[in-house]
Amino acid sequence: DIVMTQSPDSLAVSLGERATVNCKSSQSVLYRSDNKNYLAWYQQKPGQPPRLLIYWASTRASGVPDRFRGSGSGATFTLTISSLQAEDVAVYYCQQYYSSPITFGQGTRLEIK
Amino acid sequence: EVQLVESGGGLVQPGGSLRLSCAASGFTFSDYWMSWVRQAPGKGLEWVANINEDGGEKYYVDSVKGRFTISRDNVKNSVSLQLNSLRADDSALYYCTTGRAYLLKWARGTLVTVSS
Repeated sequence: DIVMTQSPDSLAVSLGERATVNCKSSQSVLYRSDNKNYLAWYQQKPGQPPRLLIYWASTRASGVPDRFRGSGSGATFTLTISSLQAEDVAVYYCQQYYSSPITFGQGTRLEIK
Repeated sequence: EVQLVESGGGLVQPGGSLRLSCAASGFTFSDYWMSWVRQAPGKGLEWVANINEDGGEKYYVDSVKGRFTISRDNVKNSVSLQLNSLRADDSALYYCTTGRAYLLKWARGTLVTVSS
């Protein structure tokens, strides 16, 4: 199974500042035949189900604000929130879908400083 | 509007069974893989099982193989998860989701508690 490891486990950022969440996979999730990274990011607010933010490592899902940006390739990925808003307080998860079973990172809790 | 509504969770004793259901609407259900993902209280996300569009392909995480069964009814637009031989570590909020790769739409979850 591919192990997904996020860092940090928790993060406190001031409103309007940049927040960065890192995700590493135990093996590359870049599929050479289509040159796509099989990596997604989710946001989970308290008491709510997860919400898909990013897929193919950098494609924003419908309705996701452009302050959310996914980057990286191979086995190292980053979710960046360019200007933190109060409504961005949540736990963020990365997930690989390169191979079965799909696996998630342990989550990064983002709070306001 | 896409809607996924689960039912069937509850309190069950170790070794017992439950059947979770997820009713889908607002999209062409038979065109989509469906998945179940669970989340133990205060913990992260764990993919449990998925099923292809016509129900002919089913996959499970190792920890539930032989105990859980996923199925679907494309007439009733529903997907189910039969949980047998339940253990304490199966206690979680179970989410029904669309897709087999990235998971686009998520239901609100149904809680399964395994305890004596």
